[in-house]
Amino acid sequence: NAGVTQTPKFRILKIGQSMTLQCTQDMNHNYMYWYRQDPGMGLKLIYYSVGAGITDKGEVPNGYNVSRSTTEDFPLRLELAAPSQTSVYFCASRPGRVWNEQFFGPGTRLTVL
Amino acid sequence: AQRVTQPEKLLSVFKGAPVELKCNYSYSGSPELFWYVQYSRQRLQLLLRHISRESIKGFTADLNKGETSFHLKKPFAQEEDSAMYYCALSGDNYGQNFVFGPGTRLSVLP
Repeated sequence: NAGVTQTPKFRILKIGQSMTLQCTQDMNHNYMYWYRQDPGMGLKLIYYSVGAGITDKGEVPNGYNVSRSTTEDFPLRLELAAPSQTSVYFCASRPGRVWNEQFFGPGTRLTVL
Repeated sequence: AQRVTQPEKLLSVFKGAPVELKCNYSYSGSPELFWYVQYSRQRLQLLLRHISRESIKGFTADLNKGETSFHLKKPFAQEEDSAMYYCALSGDNYGQNFVFGPGTRLSVLP
């Protein structure tokens, strides 16, 4: 199993540009999450999904959108990039039982100039 | 509402000294507790979880339901332990009830 994969690894955007961060997991996990991690800071939940077709906002959803059309994929969309969105973005998944941990992807390092 | 607190943002110890990273939680049900570690510029990875009651890389954690704590301990710190440590809680519902603490950066000095 590849686990949780994310693309791209790095990206530089100009203010106002749009992009989609891709996240795929091959573990058949129901639950998927998007976090951002600002330099030297902890994780902040952006969006999460409990299954295909079901998504919900986390702590910091403004400026982002998500979709979950399949169990495997959970893309994160930035419509109008702003410097405040410069961060490292982590995708995670978990099976869903209370004792199961989250499995993290390698992250996407995004810079908005 | 469930919450995880880690009172220390930064903890510095000397190599060979004992380490204790504090974690307190608030949750009305019976949660599962986890410790994650993030080495420099790497992804988060699970260090240990309460239900397994295991020791990983010399670290242990005991769940104290009376004090609602899940402190992470290691008797002798190593330089390679320097990393960011996150405490996390999973509630007895599904999916969205998984909360991370703010993290503690451990720095082990030579």
